[in-house]
Amino acid sequence: AQSVAQPEDQVNVAEGNPLTVKCTYSVSGNPYLFWYVQYPNRGLQFLLKYITGDNLVKGSYGFEAEFNKSQTSFHLKKPSALVSDSALYFCAGYSGNTPLVFGKGTRLSVIA
Amino acid sequence: GAGVSQTPSNKVTEKGKYVELRCDPISGHTALYWYRQSLGQGPEFLIYFQGTGAADDSGLPNDRFFAVRPEGSVSTLKIQRTERGDSAVYLCASSLRQGREQYFGPGTRLTVT
Repeated sequence: AQSVAQPEDQVNVAEGNPLTVKCTYSVSGNPYLFWYVQYPNRGLQFLLKYITGDNLVKGSYGFEAEFNKSQTSFHLKKPSALVSDSALYFCAGYSGNTPLVFGKGTRLSVIA
Repeated sequence: GAGVSQTPSNKVTEKGKYVELRCDPISGHTALYWYRQSLGQGPEFLIYFQGTGAADDSGLPNDRFFAVRPEGSVSTLKIQRTERGDSAVYLCASSLRQGREQYFGPGTRLTVT
Protein backbone atom coordinates (compact mmCIF):
# COMPACT_ATOMS: atom_id res chain seq x y z
CA ALA A 1 0.00 0.00 0.00
CA GLN A 2 1.11 3.52 -0.72
CA SER A 3 2.03 5.59 2.32
CA VAL A 4 3.63 8.85 3.32
CA ALA A 5 5.20 9.44 6.71
CA GLN A 6 5.96 12.64 8.55
CA PRO A 7 8.04 11.56 11.54
CA GLU A 8 7.72 14.83 13.47
CA ASP A 9 4.44 16.02 14.94
CA GLN A 10 5.94 19.40 15.80
CA VAL A 11 8.92 21.43 14.60
CA ASN A 12 10.05 24.57 16.39
CA VAL A 13 12.46 27.02 14.81
CA ALA A 14 13.61 30.55 15.55
CA GLU A 15 12.71 33.27 13.07
CA GLY A 16 15.50 33.78 10.55
CA ASN A 17 16.86 30.25 10.97
CA PRO A 18 16.60 27.58 8.28
CA LEU A 19 13.75 25.11 8.63
CA THR A 20 13.27 21.52 7.54
CA VAL A 21 10.06 19.50 7.69
CA LYS A 22 10.66 15.83 7.01
CA CYS A 23 8.73 13.45 4.77
CA THR A 24 9.40 9.91 3.62
CA TYR A 25 7.33 7.94 1.16
CA SER A 26 6.57 4.38 0.27
CA VAL A 27 5.13 4.47 -3.23
CA SER A 28 5.52 1.80 -5.87
CA GLY A 29 6.66 3.02 -9.24
CA ASN A 30 7.58 6.60 -10.00
CA PRO A 31 6.30 8.85 -7.21
CA TYR A 32 4.47 12.13 -7.58
CA LEU A 33 5.03 14.13 -4.39
CA PHE A 34 3.43 17.27 -3.01
CA TRP A 35 3.57 19.63 -0.06
CA TYR A 36 0.51 21.46 1.21
CA VAL A 37 0.13 24.00 4.02
CA GLN A 38 -2.96 24.48 6.19
CA TYR A 39 -3.57 27.67 8.12
CA PRO A 40 -6.21 27.78 10.89
CA ASN A 41 -9.77 27.75 9.56
CA ARG A 42 -8.54 27.67 5.98
CA GLY A 43 -8.25 24.97 3.35
CA LEU A 44 -5.05 23.28 2.30
CA GLN A 45 -2.89 25.38 0.01
CA PHE A 46 -0.61 23.84 -2.59
CA LEU A 47 3.08 24.70 -2.03
CA LEU A 48 5.08 22.62 -4.49
CA LYS A 49 5.30 19.31 -6.34
CA TYR A 50 7.79 16.83 -7.68
CA ILE A 51 6.82 14.99 -10.84
CA THR A 52 10.08 14.36 -12.65
CA GLY A 53 13.27 16.19 -13.48
CA ASP A 54 15.36 18.22 -11.06
CA ASN A 55 15.52 16.79 -7.57
CA LEU A 56 15.34 20.26 -6.03
CA VAL A 57 11.89 21.74 -6.46
CA LYS A 58 11.09 25.37 -5.74
CA GLY A 59 7.63 26.45 -4.67
CA SER A 60 5.57 29.22 -3.17
CA TYR A 61 6.64 31.58 -0.36
CA GLY A 62 10.33 30.69 -0.68
CA PHE A 63 9.86 27.01 0.14
CA GLU A 64 11.73 24.25 -1.65
CA ALA A 65 11.91 20.49 -1.35
CA GLU A 66 14.53 17.94 -2.24
CA PHE A 67 13.57 14.61 -3.76
CA ASN A 68 15.97 11.86 -2.69
CA LYS A 69 15.21 8.54 -4.34
CA SER A 70 17.77 6.48 -2.42
CA GLN A 71 16.41 7.70 0.92
CA THR A 72 12.79 7.83 -0.31
CA SER A 73 12.52 11.30 1.17
CA PHE A 74 11.00 14.60 0.13
CA HIS A 75 11.91 17.05 2.88
CA LEU A 76 10.54 20.59 2.83
CA LYS A 77 13.02 23.38 3.42
CA LYS A 78 13.28 27.14 3.68
CA PRO A 79 16.53 29.07 4.18
CA SER A 80 15.09 31.67 6.56
CA ALA A 81 11.88 31.06 8.52
CA LEU A 82 9.23 33.71 9.12
CA VAL A 83 6.74 33.84 11.97
CA SER A 84 4.02 33.81 9.30
CA ASP A 85 5.23 30.36 8.18
CA SER A 86 3.73 28.89 11.36
CA ALA A 87 1.08 26.43 10.18
CA LEU A 88 0.33 22.74 9.64
CA TYR A 89 2.25 21.15 6.78
CA PHE A 90 1.23 18.02 4.91
CA CYS A 91 3.28 15.86 2.59
CA ALA A 92 1.33 13.79 0.05
CA GLY A 93 2.13 11.39 -2.74
CA TYR A 94 0.83 8.88 -5.25
CA SER A 95 1.92 6.87 -8.27
CA GLY A 96 0.09 5.75 -11.37
CA ASN A 97 -3.64 5.84 -10.84
CA THR A 98 -3.59 5.38 -7.07
CA PRO A 99 -5.28 7.97 -4.84
CA LEU A 100 -3.27 10.72 -3.23
CA VAL A 101 -2.20 9.71 0.28
CA PHE A 102 -1.31 12.26 2.95
CA GLY A 103 0.99 12.17 5.93
CA LYS A 104 -0.39 13.01 9.38
CA GLY A 105 0.96 16.53 9.22
CA THR A 106 3.70 18.46 11.00
CA ARG A 107 2.95 21.58 12.98
CA LEU A 108 5.61 24.21 12.36
CA SER A 109 6.05 26.91 14.97
CA VAL A 110 8.37 29.80 14.15
CA ILE A 111 9.31 31.79 17.23
CA ALA A 112 10.21 35.47 17.03
CA GLY B 1 -10.23 33.53 -10.05
CA ALA B 2 -12.66 31.79 -7.75
CA GLY B 3 -11.34 28.82 -5.85
CA VAL B 4 -13.10 25.67 -4.74
CA SER B 5 -16.14 26.44 -2.62
CA GLN B 6 -17.98 24.15 -0.24
CA THR B 7 -21.33 24.52 1.47
CA PRO B 8 -22.32 24.49 4.21
CA SER B 9 -19.20 25.44 6.16
CA ASN B 10 -20.64 23.78 9.24
CA LYS B 11 -23.33 21.14 9.61
CA VAL B 12 -24.69 19.74 12.85
CA THR B 13 -27.04 16.80 12.55
CA GLU B 14 -28.52 14.12 14.75
CA LYS B 15 -27.48 10.50 14.57
CA GLY B 16 -29.48 8.66 11.96
CA LYS B 17 -30.22 11.69 9.78
CA TYR B 18 -29.31 12.19 6.12
CA VAL B 19 -26.91 14.96 5.04
CA GLU B 20 -25.71 16.41 1.76
CA LEU B 21 -22.46 18.32 1.36
CA ARG B 22 -21.86 20.39 -1.75
CA CYS B 23 -18.66 21.18 -3.65
CA ASP B 24 -18.23 23.73 -6.43
CA PRO B 25 -14.87 23.13 -8.16
CA ILE B 26 -12.69 25.57 -10.03
CA SER B 27 -14.16 26.24 -13.45
CA GLY B 28 -12.60 24.06 -16.11
CA HIS B 29 -11.22 21.47 -13.69
CA THR B 30 -12.28 18.04 -14.89
CA ALA B 31 -11.09 16.10 -11.85
CA LEU B 32 -12.84 16.37 -8.47
CA TYR B 33 -11.94 14.65 -5.22
CA TRP B 34 -13.54 14.19 -1.81
CA TYR B 35 -11.51 13.64 1.35
CA ARG B 36 -12.31 13.29 5.03
CA GLN B 37 -10.04 14.79 7.68
CA SER B 38 -10.28 13.82 11.32
CA LEU B 39 -8.62 15.78 14.10
CA GLY B 40 -4.86 15.31 14.12
CA GLN B 41 -4.84 13.38 10.86
CA GLY B 42 -4.12 14.11 7.25
CA PRO B 43 -6.94 14.03 4.69
CA GLU B 44 -8.13 10.53 3.73
CA PHE B 45 -9.27 9.88 0.19
CA LEU B 46 -12.93 9.04 -0.34
CA ILE B 47 -13.79 9.29 -4.03
CA TYR B 48 -12.50 10.76 -7.29
CA PHE B 49 -14.51 11.94 -10.31
CA GLN B 50 -13.20 12.41 -13.80
CA GLY B 51 -15.96 14.35 -15.51
CA THR B 52 -19.32 12.93 -14.50
CA GLY B 53 -18.19 9.45 -13.60
CA ALA B 54 -16.71 8.17 -10.37
CA ALA B 55 -13.32 6.93 -11.52
CA ASP B 56 -12.29 5.63 -8.09
CA ASP B 57 -14.60 5.21 -5.09
CA SER B 58 -12.34 2.85 -3.17
CA GLY B 59 -12.10 5.23 -0.21
CA LEU B 60 -15.79 5.34 0.63
CA PRO B 61 -16.01 3.65 4.04
CA ASN B 62 -19.36 1.89 3.50
CA ASP B 63 -22.57 2.03 1.50
CA ARG B 64 -23.98 4.87 3.61
CA PHE B 65 -21.68 7.18 1.66
CA PHE B 66 -22.44 8.16 -1.91
CA ALA B 67 -21.38 11.01 -4.20
CA VAL B 68 -22.59 12.35 -7.52
CA ARG B 69 -21.40 14.83 -10.12
CA PRO B 70 -24.22 14.76 -12.68
CA GLU B 71 -23.04 17.54 -14.99
CA GLY B 72 -19.31 17.24 -14.50
CA SER B 73 -19.05 20.33 -12.33
CA VAL B 74 -20.75 20.59 -8.91
CA SER B 75 -20.57 17.49 -6.75
CA THR B 76 -22.65 16.38 -3.78
CA LEU B 77 -21.46 13.99 -1.09
CA LYS B 78 -24.39 12.21 0.53
CA ILE B 79 -24.32 10.42 3.84
CA GLN B 80 -27.27 8.29 4.96
CA ARG B 81 -28.07 7.23 8.53
CA THR B 82 -25.27 9.34 9.95
CA GLU B 83 -23.24 8.01 12.86
CA ARG B 84 -21.19 9.88 15.46
CA GLY B 85 -18.06 8.44 13.89
CA ASP B 86 -18.84 10.33 10.68
CA SER B 87 -18.00 13.60 12.45
CA ALA B 88 -15.04 15.15 10.63
CA VAL B 89 -14.11 17.86 8.17
CA TYR B 90 -15.04 16.87 4.63
CA LEU B 91 -12.73 18.40 2.04
CA CYS B 92 -13.27 18.76 -1.66
CA ALA B 93 -10.50 19.39 -4.18
CA SER B 94 -10.30 19.84 -7.91
CA SER B 95 -7.52 19.68 -10.47
CA LEU B 96 -7.16 20.46 -14.14
CA ARG B 97 -6.96 16.75 -14.77
CA GLN B 98 -5.91 13.68 -12.86
CA GLY B 99 -2.25 13.87 -11.91
CA ARG B 100 -2.03 17.61 -11.61
CA GLU B 101 -1.88 19.45 -8.29
CA GLN B 102 -5.16 19.59 -6.42
CA TYR B 103 -6.74 22.76 -5.10
CA PHE B 104 -8.77 22.41 -1.93
CA GLY B 105 -11.90 24.06 -0.65
CA PRO B 106 -12.24 25.27 2.95
CA GLY B 107 -14.14 22.15 3.98
CA THR B 108 -17.43 21.33 5.66
CA ARG B 109 -17.22 20.52 9.35
CA LEU B 110 -19.80 17.81 10.04
CA THR B 111 -20.83 17.11 13.62
CA VAL B 112 -23.14 14.21 14.34
CA THR B 113 -24.71 14.40 17.82
